[in-house]
Amino acid sequence: QSVLTQPPSVSGAPGQRVTISCTGNNSNIGSPYDVHWYQQFPGTAPRLLIFGNTNRPSGVPDRFSGSKSGTSASLAITGLQAEDEADYYCQSYDNRLGGFVFGPGTKVTVL
Amino acid sequence: QVQLVQSGAEVKRPGSSVKVSCKASGGTFTGYTVTWVRQAPGQGLEWMGRINPLFGTSNYALVLKGRVSFSADETTTTAYMELTSLGAEDTAVYFCATEAKAVTIVNHRYFDTWGQGTLVTVST
Repeated sequence: QSVLTQPPSVSGAPGQRVTISCTGNNSNIGSPYDVHWYQQFPGTAPRLLIFGNTNRPSGVPDRFSGSKSGTSASLAITGLQAEDEADYYCQSYDNRLGGFVFGPGTKVTVL
Repeated sequence: QVQLVQSGAEVKRPGSSVKVSCKASGGTFTGYTVTWVRQAPGQGLEWMGRINPLFGTSNYALVLKGRVSFSADETTTTAYMELTSLGAEDTAVYFCATEAKAVTIVNHRYFDTWGQGTLVTVST
């Protein structure tokens, strides 16, 4: 059971905007530790998508954006594309556990 | 940019141990901390711990403490994860990843380069 919570799944039609929430508490996101996001396709390693709450590594399309407020963070995908169908994980640090933590993951389905 | 290449799949008996390697190619471990993450079939990502190869210091996830150990050989730019007393619940893909060394405050770090993963199957 993760200390970070995410919806199990979100879906949207091509071109739509979807958001994925990542909710923690004052021992992790609210401490405040940065939140990062990863994209993972079946059978492959995770790929860094957003770091430091809002920043995109080079090569990540600008339709992906991150935000953070208080004890929660969000990943938004605008202009949803079929190739965005994947699992998405948030990650932060938890000072009670003394280590890094991941959210349970959210499956994005493109209708 | 360093690339991480992991050892091949393993099948282990319950109660035995496994050691997974993670070799850095195209660079060295200098300045990097290597983190280990695992993913059980159909499940999410679980952080296992981390090692600083330069100092040989490690931190372990509480749930695995006592069963997992990390090591590193800077001469061969290879990090290792060993997990003992294996049970069926340890069947998973094990990933190594480097922590972004530009982030000086450890608690704010993320994982920017990942190995391809190593499947460890624990079965009789």
